Amino acid sequence: QKEVEQDPGPLSVPEGAIVSLNCTYSNSAFQYFMWYRQYSRKGPELLMYTYSSGNKEDGRFTAQVDKSSKYISLFIRDSQPSDSATYLCAMTRAGGTSYGKLTFGQGTILTVHP
Amino acid sequence: NAGVTQTPKFRILKIGQSMTLQCTQDMNHNYMYWYRQDPGMGLKLIYYSVGAGITDKGEVPNGYNVSRSTTEDFPLRLELAAPSQTSVYFCASSDSANEQFFGPGTRLTVL
Repeated sequence: QKEVEQDPGPLSVPEGAIVSLNCTYSNSAFQYFMWYRQYSRKGPELLMYTYSSGNKEDGRFTAQVDKSSKYISLFIRDSQPSDSATYLCAMTRAGGTSYGKLTFGQGTILTVHP
Repeated sequence: NAGVTQTPKFRILKIGQSMTLQCTQDMNHNYMYWYRQDPGMGLKLIYYSVGAGITDKGEVPNGYNVSRSTTEDFPLRLELAAPSQTSVYFCASSDSANEQFFGPGTRLTVL
């Protein structure tokens, strides 16, 4: 079983739709949860970051973490064609030799069409 | 600031050849990482470094070597290239566990 599983998609939605992206994980030691966005032929860039359980909102983006279910989500409201990209969830343990060593999901390819 | 820069952008190697992928960051970050990204597989950690002179293996280190003689540079060495090393390689740096800044990647094909 992979440590992090992400719905691979691909996902195609009309402009203005609400998008839901999800990851599940098996390692209860994960404490930091991130969403990266990767445009075609570019490096990933950090979109959202949360620590432990809870919600975090930034503009049209909301990240949710449910540690009891080992499940994280990213919601995109009023999706735009410029949101078309691959979205990668990532997570890491806290402290020690695991510091900063991210475990990534497989990525979900999102296309928002006008 | 240029951030994280990687060279070359593209490279084609023959089986058994060797090469070094260069990575430089100008943010004075202590932590640096090398990942490979295969289609539909996300990113997998090859090696990482917590500071000059200190490196350690990640999830998929076989066939690779690294060195960290300065804070800025973290080259990745491929010895005896194999077709299984065909991938996109990303270097990243950070000053915490929070955000890693990624370079633009090197696309490597081994034929």
